[in-house]
Amino acid sequence: QKEVEQNSGPLSVPEGAIASLNCTYSDRGSQSFFWYRQYSGKSPELIMSIYSNGDKEDGRFTAQLNKASQYVSLLIRDSQPSDSATYLCAVDPGGGADGLTFGKGTHLIIQP
Amino acid sequence: DTAVSQTPKYLVTQMGNDKSIKCEQNLGHDTMYWYKQDSKKFLKIMFSYNNKELIINETVPNRFSPKSPDKAHLNLHINSLELGDSAVYFCASSPKTGTGMAEQYFGPGTRLTVT
Repeated sequence: QKEVEQNSGPLSVPEGAIASLNCTYSDRGSQSFFWYRQYSGKSPELIMSIYSNGDKEDGRFTAQLNKASQYVSLLIRDSQPSDSATYLCAVDPGGGADGLTFGKGTHLIIQP
Repeated sequence: DTAVSQTPKYLVTQMGNDKSIKCEQNLGHDTMYWYKQDSKKFLKIMFSYNNKELIINETVPNRFSPKSPDKAHLNLHINSLELGDSAVYFCASSPKTGTGMAEQYFGPGTRLTVT
């Protein structure tokens, strides 16, 4: 059973601080990793993808991948109230043909 | 222009009915998907489909069937609807798979309520 684990939260972070979201996965053969943001009542929105070990930065977002530890994280710098949402970690076990395996999401609250 | 679109946005129906949800993507992607998000917000793959292969999640009842008239469309047909089918259904698409780098883009979702 391929699983993706996230702390459901809520994770409360003061405005302007760094929000750190974590995810672990069970399938060691997984190749691709994604972070989606989902606002209440909306669809998942892709914010980061990462495919190799290390860090990947895009604006205020940094994704980190450690395949040896089967661990993915997302850092949000200078957190804004508009970052308040549920963040979904998703793993592609290989090739993408059989869809993504999602975690249950972390509810992030940025406090003004 | 909307990249992945779905209709209807809301669908309310009675148990036992048959319904369809339509999905269209204008991204030129090769693979399309259907996901189900339950009341606890857990998002789970139902089907993936490209012009060569349909992959079905083994937990999906055979009352659910995807139909693809062409590469840009993947519709979801549901027969004999049950209360437990109430959920939000999302369509998604991605570029050619097999590269291990297929980012998926989601449609706006269809909220299905079975009464």
